[in-house]
Amino acid sequence: DGGITQSPKYLFRKEGQNVTLSCEQNLNHDAMYWYRQDPGQGLRLIYYSQIVNDFQKGDIAEGYSVSREKKESFPLTVTSAQKNPTAFYLCASSIDPPGREYRDREDIQYFGAGTRLSVL
Amino acid sequence: EDQVTQSPEALRLQEGESSSLNCSYTVSGLRGLFWYRQDPGKGPEFLFTLYSAGEEKEKERLKATLTKKESFLHITAPKPEDSATYLCALTQGGSEKLVFGKGTKLTVNP
Repeated sequence: DGGITQSPKYLFRKEGQNVTLSCEQNLNHDAMYWYRQDPGQGLRLIYYSQIVNDFQKGDIAEGYSVSREKKESFPLTVTSAQKNPTAFYLCASSIDPPGREYRDREDIQYFGAGTRLSVL
Repeated sequence: EDQVTQSPEALRLQEGESSSLNCSYTVSGLRGLFWYRQDPGKGPEFLFTLYSAGEEKEKERLKATLTKKESFLHITAPKPEDSATYLCALTQGGSEKLVFGKGTKLTVNP
């Protein structure tokens, strides 16, 4: 089955520690995204990538880092500089990123099941 | 100022009681408006996308409509399994971002 796999489902971070969240997709999508979801707030964009070896900051990139070495993979590292990391993290992908000329349905973002990160 | 506002924040319905969720937006140059369903502890599930005013799409008990300032998600004769948070999001010309509202939490009681 094609889809987006996020792991782990739950993750705990000690103070001063960096942790990495995994996101893998087998949909052959070019674009991938990371969002953060907090109670009572809409999803906020952390980073996104349109092609391999390229990525852009979203609205709340401080304290996070990403890489895109393979089309299928877009890991997110939550660094010790992120002082309030407790949240639900969602990875998404789309055939093409929004903002470009597109055919119907190519800019739809499909989401993984999420990783819940807590601080010990 | 929020670009995407969803109302109400929460809605309780009895099974079979039809209603509508609202998503209003203030952006210009709308490219696409998206509706997602999110169950607790899960990722959002895509429902509909609308690209132009007057467009309507249906899926089972759900129907999404779009005007120049807002979108509605109509739920006809809801069932308890329709209970979830419904998210609205949009893209606008020249931007590569999907902007989300805060969602409407729908509870359908049997």
